[in-house]
Amino acid sequence: ETGVTQSPTHLIKTRGQQVTLRCSSQSGHNTVSWYQQALGQGPQFIFQYYREEENGRGNFPPRFSGLQFPNYSSELNVNALELDDSALYLCASSQPGQGGYGYTFGSGTRLTVV
Amino acid sequence: AQSVTQPDIHITVSEGASLELRCNYSYGATPYLFWYVQSPGQGLQLLLKYFSGDTLVQGIKGFEAEFKRSQSSFNLRKPSVHWSDAAEYFCAVGGLQGAQKLVFGQGTRLTINP
Repeated sequence: ETGVTQSPTHLIKTRGQQVTLRCSSQSGHNTVSWYQQALGQGPQFIFQYYREEENGRGNFPPRFSGLQFPNYSSELNVNALELDDSALYLCASSQPGQGGYGYTFGSGTRLTVV
Repeated sequence: AQSVTQPDIHITVSEGASLELRCNYSYGATPYLFWYVQSPGQGLQLLLKYFSGDTLVQGIKGFEAEFKRSQSSFNLRKPSVHWSDAAEYFCAVGGLQGAQKLVFGQGTRLTINP
């Protein structure tokens, strides 16, 4: 059983640029959630995708957007990067109906905006 | 709105000593409650979860937690810590409706003295 894979592991971007982060779900999982974890903080929910549709969104501006593909992999896109977007971005996949909240987290992508 | 408070930002205990990490939550109904552990540079690993039933929940790595509705608490305990338990610990709450969104506390960093 494969886990959740995120890429890249680290990247550095300049303020105003755009970035795409990628996530491969655990086998058999059809739901993907993205979280932002600022330094010294707990993760914050960005949004969730279920069967390629957004299924819930946290308090993040529209410049944070996502996609889920037919193979259940996912992308997180952030436009017009700001310094405060520097954080660890965590992807988690799950399979609703099997106990609920059966998240498997990836190791994250560390984004630094300079 | 859901919220989680972890009053202790940093705790230091000696190897072999007992451990209790505190967690208080705010939620309008019966919540789903979770404890996760995060080692440096890693994603989140689920230690245990409470959905219903017995209020004392056993988890992995010898951890347990007790749900106390009257105190809105879900404290994590371990009778004897090991050096490998040094990590960041997060308490989280989830709701029953809509997206399976987790609200995390700020985290407690655990240091183990040899």
